[in-house]
Amino acid sequence: NAGVTQTPKFQVLKTGQSMTLQCAQDMNHNSMYWYRQDPGMGLRLIYYSASEGTTDKGEVPNGYNVSRLNKREFSLRLESAAPSQTSVYFCATDPAGTINEQFFGPGTRLTVL
Amino acid sequence: LAKTTQPISMDSYEGQEVNITCSHNNIATNDYITWYQQFPSQGPRFIIQGYKTKVTNEVASLFIPADRKSSTLSLPRVSLSDTAVYYCLASNRGSTLGRLYFGRGTQLTVWP
Repeated sequence: NAGVTQTPKFQVLKTGQSMTLQCAQDMNHNSMYWYRQDPGMGLRLIYYSASEGTTDKGEVPNGYNVSRLNKREFSLRLESAAPSQTSVYFCATDPAGTINEQFFGPGTRLTVL
Repeated sequence: LAKTTQPISMDSYEGQEVNITCSHNNIATNDYITWYQQFPSQGPRFIIQGYKTKVTNEVASLFIPADRKSSTLSLPRVSLSDTAVYYCLASNRGSTLGRLYFGRGTQLTVWP
């Protein structure tokens, strides 16, 4: 089992470019999350999906969109990247959104020039 | 979401026991205390969770006093590989929102 996988691992964008970060899980979990982590800081929730077909905003959703494509996949899209979105992005899952334990992917390191 | 306060950094030596204390004065009745560990360039990893008194697993122990306004993560006999950032979270285990508040965490550095 791969657990939670994220692609790409690294990405450099120019201001205004768009891109989609991919996340997939093979744990059969219902809930999926996108976080960002800035240097020296904790994680901040961008969006989450409690179950397939539903998405909700987290603490810092501005500038992002998400798609819960199916139970396995949850993507994060930056329509027009800005330098303030330079960060490390983590995808996470848990069985039912009950915060017993979240499982995190390896992260995507994004730099926006 | 109850916010938590923990030391920014701690140092220890191999073989010592490390205790990291977390303050959560506004913890709600339904909140559980959860600790995560994060190594550089990796996502956080769940360590332990508890509601009150003491919880122990193969990695750590978690002590929560009766008033639940603080908690202590205890790592027995640390090694160099325990160098990481440790996050203390207070969250509603029954919530369907699944939101976790990660503060800045505690950077634990273990020296030879």
